[in-house]
Amino acid sequence: KQEVTQIPAALSVPEGENLVLNCSFTDSAIYNLQWFRQDPGKGLTSLLLIQSSQREQTSGRLNASLDKSSGRSTLYIAASQPGDSATYLCAVGSDDYKLSFGAGTTVTVRA
Amino acid sequence: DAGITQSPRHKVTETGTPVTLRCHQTENHRYMYWYRQDPGHGLRLIHYSYGVKDTDKGEVSDGYSVSRSKTEDFLLTLESATSSQTSVYFCAISDSPSTDTQYFGPGTRLTVL
Repeated sequence: KQEVTQIPAALSVPEGENLVLNCSFTDSAIYNLQWFRQDPGKGLTSLLLIQSSQREQTSGRLNASLDKSSGRSTLYIAASQPGDSATYLCAVGSDDYKLSFGAGTTVTVRA
Repeated sequence: DAGITQSPRHKVTETGTPVTLRCHQTENHRYMYWYRQDPGHGLRLIHYSYGVKDTDKGEVSDGYSVSRSKTEDFLLTLESATSSQTSVYFCAISDSPSTDTQYFGPGTRLTVL
C-alpha cells in the first residue's frame, strides 16, 4: 500500500520568503505525482502534475521536482505572498489509476 | 473550472438513516471518484468508477455503496449512517488518470448525529 508523508504539517513564513514543501512516498512504482492547493472550506485545485518520466515541472512561481528512486518530491514556491496561504497536498498516482494523498502542509504567509 | 457539482452541499442527519450524495459532471470524463477528508487523514478514496456501471472499492469502502447509471452522475449512498461517517465528501473526475489530473468538486459536509 502506498504511504505518502508530508513534512512539515504546518509552516509560517514572512512575505517574500521562498517556500519549500516536502513529500515522500514508499512505493516508487508510480505513474505520476501531483500537487494540489486547498483553501479553507473549498475543494482541491491542481497546481502541478509530474509524470514518472519527468524530473520537474514549473508553472510561474511554482516548481516541483520528482526523485522517483528515493521516493521524494519537493514543491518550491518563490517569493511567497499572503495569497499563497493555503493547505498544499501531495498525491501519488499508482498503477491502478488511484491517487494516494498526503495529509498536507498548511502554509501561512505573514504580510 | 471543471464542471462538477455536488449536492447537497451540507447535510445533517440522524444515526441509522440512509443518505445519498450526488456528483454531477458536464465534462464527459470517464473516471469518477468519491473521497472523504478528515483531520489528520488527508483524502481517502471510498469508491471510484471507470465507466457506466463499472465501479470498484477504495481503501475505506465499508458502509458505502455507489452507483453510476449515466456518464455524468455518480451517487454515493450511506445505507445506515453512523457518527464515524461525519466528514467532508469530495467528488473528483478525470479523463485519463495516468496523464491527466483529477478535478474536484466543492465538497459536501455531512454531519451524522
